[in-house]
Amino acid sequence: DSGVTQTPKHLITATGQRVTLRCSPRSGDLSVYWYQQSLDQGLQFLIQYYNGEERAKGNILERFSAQQFPDLHSELNLSSLELGDSALYFCASSVEGGVRTDTQYFGPGTRLTVL
Amino acid sequence: AQKITQTQPGMFVQEKEAVTLDCTYDTSDPSYGLFWYKQPSSGEMIFLIYQGSYDQQNATEGRYSLNFQKARKSANLVISASQLGDSAMYFCAMREALGNAGNMLTFGGGTRLMVKP
Repeated sequence: DSGVTQTPKHLITATGQRVTLRCSPRSGDLSVYWYQQSLDQGLQFLIQYYNGEERAKGNILERFSAQQFPDLHSELNLSSLELGDSALYFCASSVEGGVRTDTQYFGPGTRLTVL
Repeated sequence: AQKITQTQPGMFVQEKEAVTLDCTYDTSDPSYGLFWYKQPSSGEMIFLIYQGSYDQQNATEGRYSLNFQKARKSANLVISASQLGDSAMYFCAMREALGNAGNMLTFGGGTRLMVKP
């Protein structure tokens, strides 16, 4: 158990809908990352937050947004869902986020299926 | 251009034997970190081992060791005394620094390891 929690574990929804994925980082970690794992794209970085502020952005679609709250939990919002958004979404956390030795610990993931 | 390359899509190893999973990387940043993660069939990503670009010695963590050859830009994972529970996907990743003190992991395509009894 990495200490990172993600809810829900599974999510099935329809095209055009909006969903919210939730992540709680390990105790003491200030940085949260979101990754998407799909069969065709592999594991891709989406976005990083540090202590409530956006730090880095990757291949995140405009239909997707995220935020980190004062209690450091984070939410990833996916809207106008398409079939191609079906994937495993991981949240990871690390202590600082800006140090090269900083290890990212991953949550169990949320499997999103868009029908 | 792909920055992390894992050339072995799948591998078999006999239980109790050692196995090497290959990883090559490409970066112009002198400061970087290399990581290996294990993803069992249940789906979670488990951190195994880390190697920093300035580290003089190869990293080791229990049965895992990292064969770091900086000049060749390779960071191969060695698993000694393979166990049935080692059957999983293994991902090599490189930490890249981004602007505003951000960072991200770039992952390779993974190697599926199957341990035979």
